[in-house]
Parts: sequence; structure tokens; C-alpha cells
Amino acid sequence: GAGVSQTPSNKVTEKGKYVELRCDPISGHTALYWYRQSLGQGPEFLIYFQGTGAADDSGLPNDRFFAVRPEGSVSTLKIQRTERGDSAVYLCASSQSYQDEQFFGPGTRLTVL
Amino acid sequence: AQSVTQPDIHITVSEGASLELRCNYSYGATPYLFWYVQSPGQGLQLLLKYFSGDTLVQGIKGFEAEFKRSQSSFNLRKPSVHWSDAAEYFCAVGAGNNDMRFGAGTRLTVKP
Repeated sequence: GAGVSQTPSNKVTEKGKYVELRCDPISGHTALYWYRQSLGQGPEFLIYFQGTGAADDSGLPNDRFFAVRPEGSVSTLKIQRTERGDSAVYLCASSQSYQDEQFFGPGTRLTVL
Repeated sequence: AQSVTQPDIHITVSEGASLELRCNYSYGATPYLFWYVQSPGQGLQLLLKYFSGDTLVQGIKGFEAEFKRSQSSFNLRKPSVHWSDAAEYFCAVGAGNNDMRFGAGTRLTVKP
């Protein structure tokens, strides 16, 4: 039915805090992707799930970033000990399978003060 | 590793004029190439993609792009721009749908 949704749309936090960003993919889509888009840049790949497992997490910048997709549907991107440099728009996309077109959500704008 | 260069950060065209947005890529094998559009508050939307075959690809909203292997380019074109085309445009290259690397984007402004 509906497209990819992401919550919250905006998140403001303080340096050092923990945040969780949620992605609801299109129903039935088995592949899910997280990207980060900094101001004036294109989306940067973070991690890709096929079903419940992370098929490729090579884009995660460091071990403060972690993502889960426990039931193969909703995914949560978790950022520990946030830093000001983590401020960006975090985009989620899903596709029917890994070979199909990705559909993007509107993103979550994260601001770390 | 694949990479994409979009040389123009910002382009302004008059409504009704033609448009060409440039994209150059670096990739060791036959690339998968994409153009996406991002409007304020909207998610990225796929305009068109090239995997193989005819090097002139037709997309949605009247856009087309041409793959030129000799120039490592995949420029986006539209013969007549509408005010609603004002947005950010991203070119991407990858080994497949699940492995895209995006350029920094070109912001399009349309003058009335």
C-alpha cells in the first residue's frame, strides 16, 4: 500500500546521547537499505538487509552505528554516543528483492547539538 | 571502487528551455547507472536507469539519458523544462540495484 515511512521526521539530540531511527518499508519488500545524506552531498550507503540479516554493512562509519531488522520488516538504525558530525538526513529505502528498484522514504533529519 | 561526479552544483534554466545535467562515472566493469530526483520533503524518486542494451534510455516525466562508454558519461536531458522540475538531481552508479554510489547532486532552478 503506502510507501516507505520513517519516524521521526526530525530528531534533535545532544552530543553523547543515544538515538533510534525507524524505517517501515513497503509491505512485502525483502530488501531494506539505510543511507546518510549530509548537507550538499548525495546519499551515502550505510547498510543493506536481505530479510532479517545484514547482507552488507560496509558503509557503517564506526561501531557507534548499528541497525537491526528482527522480523524482516521494520528496521531501526541505532546511533550511540552521538557526535555533531552525525548530523544529517538518514534515508531508508526498500525493494521487492535485491535486484529490484529501491523506493526511498522521506528521511529523518538528525541534528546533534 | 565506483564513483560519480556531477560537475554542476547548481543550474538555472528558463521554463520551456532545454536541460542537460552532466554525470561522469568511474567504474571498472559495465556499470548500472541511475538518475534520481529529490524534491523538498520528498523521498528520492527514480527517473530512469541503464543496465544494458540501447544506450538512450527513456524515463518518467519526459526525461531521457544517454550512456556514452567512451566518455564515461550518463547525461540527463529534457527538451522542455517545466516549473515543477525544480529539484535536486542525483546520478548514481553501481554493480546493481543494491550497490549504488551517488554523486553530490545538481540543484535545478527554473525561472518563469
